[in-house]
Amino acid sequence: DTEVTQTPKHLVMGMTNKKSLKCEQHMGHRAMYWYKQKAKKPPELMFVYSYEKLSINESVPSRFSPECPNSSLLNLHLHALQPEDSALYLCASSQEWTSLSSYNEQFFGPGTRLTVL
Amino acid sequence: QKEVEQNSGPLSVPEGAIASLNCTYSDRGSQSFFWYRQYSGKSPELIMFIYSNGDKEDGRFTAQLNKASQYVSLLIRDSQPSDSATYLCAVGGGFKTIFGAGTRLFVKA
Repeated sequence: DTEVTQTPKHLVMGMTNKKSLKCEQHMGHRAMYWYKQKAKKPPELMFVYSYEKLSINESVPSRFSPECPNSSLLNLHLHALQPEDSALYLCASSQEWTSLSSYNEQFFGPGTRLTVL
Repeated sequence: QKEVEQNSGPLSVPEGAIASLNCTYSDRGSQSFFWYRQYSGKSPELIMFIYSNGDKEDGRFTAQLNKASQYVSLLIRDSQPSDSATYLCAVGGGFKTIFGAGTRLFVKA
């Protein structure tokens, strides 16, 4: 299995809703990432989990809460979002998360298109 | 501030031609270099990676790296309309991968 899956594909939520995005990989990768991508912009790193521990939080607002229940799963819990949070949310994984180049190839899931009303 | 620069395009080439996409980066300590293809509304797909100076070929794709000039390029031979997409250059070094804003490529049939 060489893919990263994400659910749901599309999500529309109000500013008072609570929802979760899910990501799963079965490649044995030990690093998983959340990115946010706005139209015509590059992906922006939000969080990195390495060996199920949060390793990077790129000063993301607390209305985004990541969770890594096990080595294959990554969740992003959403609460009290703003319309400007509407974007494509991408999950990615890589073999490892280190400064060694060999392990930094990241594979992306299909993304969740989030619209906040 | 580590930066990765790409010409936003659009780059338009006729079918069958060679498309040349370029990328420069600011961090001399960068170690890994990636090219992703992203179709509109879809997620990035890794198509090439290169770690050493020189050329790396995979099918119709050739990645070229020149660390002294801090420059990486992607050549697409025999371009097809299905190659029309945004190509993201990504540079890794240390613990983060930095993405360029991407170059839009149009291949005209």
